[in-house]
Amino acid sequence: EAGVVQSPRYKIIEKKQPVAFWCNPISGHNTLYWYLQNLGQGPELLIRYENEEAVDDSQLPKDRFSAERLKGVDSTLKIQPAELGDSAVYLCASSYSQGVTGELFFGEGSRLTVL
Amino acid sequence: AQSVTQLGSHVSVSEGALVLLRCNYSSSVPPYLFWYVQYPNQGLQLLLKYTSAATLVKGINGFEAEFKKSETSFHLTKPSAHMSDAAEYFCAVSKETSGSRLTFGEGTQLTVNP
Repeated sequence: EAGVVQSPRYKIIEKKQPVAFWCNPISGHNTLYWYLQNLGQGPELLIRYENEEAVDDSQLPKDRFSAERLKGVDSTLKIQPAELGDSAVYLCASSYSQGVTGELFFGEGSRLTVL
Repeated sequence: AQSVTQLGSHVSVSEGALVLLRCNYSSSVPPYLFWYVQYPNQGLQLLLKYTSAATLVKGINGFEAEFKKSETSFHLTKPSAHMSDAAEYFCAVSKETSGSRLTFGEGTQLTVNP
C-alpha cells in the first residue's frame, strides 16, 4: 500500500514569491491534514479536511495561505506571497475519519526555504 | 485546552541502556495520548497510543508507555536501546481517539551511543 505522497520534497524560493505543495493521501482515507513543523518544534495543525470540506482551519493564516482538496482526494497548500518566517517543513497526513485508532499517516514533508 | 510538555529536548543513552523519554500533559478532559517517532527526513510514525483502556500501553519496536493520571504523565520507555532507535520522539494529546486535533510536544531527540 502506498503511503502519503508529498511533493516537492524541497523548495527554495525568494520572499514574496508564491509556492504550492501537493499531497496525495492513502487511498480510502477521507481525512486529510496539513501540519507546519518549524525547526526544533512539534507539528502544528494548519487545516483538516473531511472529504472535500475544511472542518478545522482555525490555525491557517488566511491572509497568505490557502488550501483546497478538490474531489476529496488530493490536496494543495499554497502560500502567496511567502515570507522569511514561512521557512519550515509542511507535513501532510491522512486517516480514516471513522476509525478510532488515532493513527495519522504522515508523508515525508515538503521543506521550504525562503530567502 | 490540551497541551503536552516533553522534558528534555535531547536525551543520550548507550546502546543496551534504558530509554526514558518524559511527557507530561495538561487536559481539562480525559485525554487520549500518543507517541510518534520521526526518523531523519521521514514523516512521523505512530509508536503507541493511550485511549483510556489499559494504563500500560505497548507499542512497536519494544517501546511502552504508562499513563499516570495522578502525575499527569505518559512517559515512554524501552528496556534496552538499539542504535536504530535514534530519532526524534513526539508526545501528543487529543480529546478524541480519532486524533482529529492532535497537539504535539516540542519533541525529544534521542541519541544512542555505541
